[in-house]
Amino acid sequence: KAGVTQTPRYLIKTRGQQVTLSCSPISGHRSVSWYQQTPGQGLQFLFEYFSETQRNKGNFPGRFSGRQFSNSRSEMNVSTLELGDSALYLCASSIGVLSSYEQYFGPGTRLTVT
Amino acid sequence: AQTVTQSQPEMSVQEAETVTLSCTYDTSESDYYLFWYKQPPSRQMILVIRQEAYKQQNATENRFSVNFQKAAKSFSLKISDSQLGDAAMYFCALKGNTGKLIFGQGTTLQVKP
Repeated sequence: KAGVTQTPRYLIKTRGQQVTLSCSPISGHRSVSWYQQTPGQGLQFLFEYFSETQRNKGNFPGRFSGRQFSNSRSEMNVSTLELGDSALYLCASSIGVLSSYEQYFGPGTRLTVT
Repeated sequence: AQTVTQSQPEMSVQEAETVTLSCTYDTSESDYYLFWYKQPPSRQMILVIRQEAYKQQNATENRFSVNFQKAAKSFSLKISDSQLGDAAMYFCALKGNTGKLIFGQGTTLQVKP
């Protein structure tokens, strides 16, 4: 089975712009979670989607949004980019939403905001 | 609130030796799961081992094992016969009823030849 894929892998944007990141889960996985990783804040949960519905949301401003499509692929969008949004954005997929299900991570998208 | 704490920012081990990475956590839930993830320089997060809180037996995966002390809320990772490929950042993570992973700050492991 193919693993979790994320596109693009690297991105450079200017402050004030918006960006969309994409995540394709492992085949058969219906839950997708997003995490932000920065040197200062570490790994922080952004949101989780299951069956096209946002199930959980972390403590991030409304500039961060996401969605999930019927094929379980997910996108996250960041509007009005700030310098502090520079980070590695990781997507993880799991079969479902039970706590017992393991999450498998993609390689991440490295976003640099200048 | 759930928290995970890794008090060792960096650790070093000689190749073929054993090293233990520490992790403590806090949660009010009785049913939860604990994980250790490895993040090598490629940044790909790899699941190393998992532990169900309701299981008293410590999980083991080849050279990796955990020491799970539920009452003390401690979850350490022991790596035996360390190899150069074990060099990475290791994250301890907690997953409760919400399903989201709460990560510790990470421990960078250096393996010396």
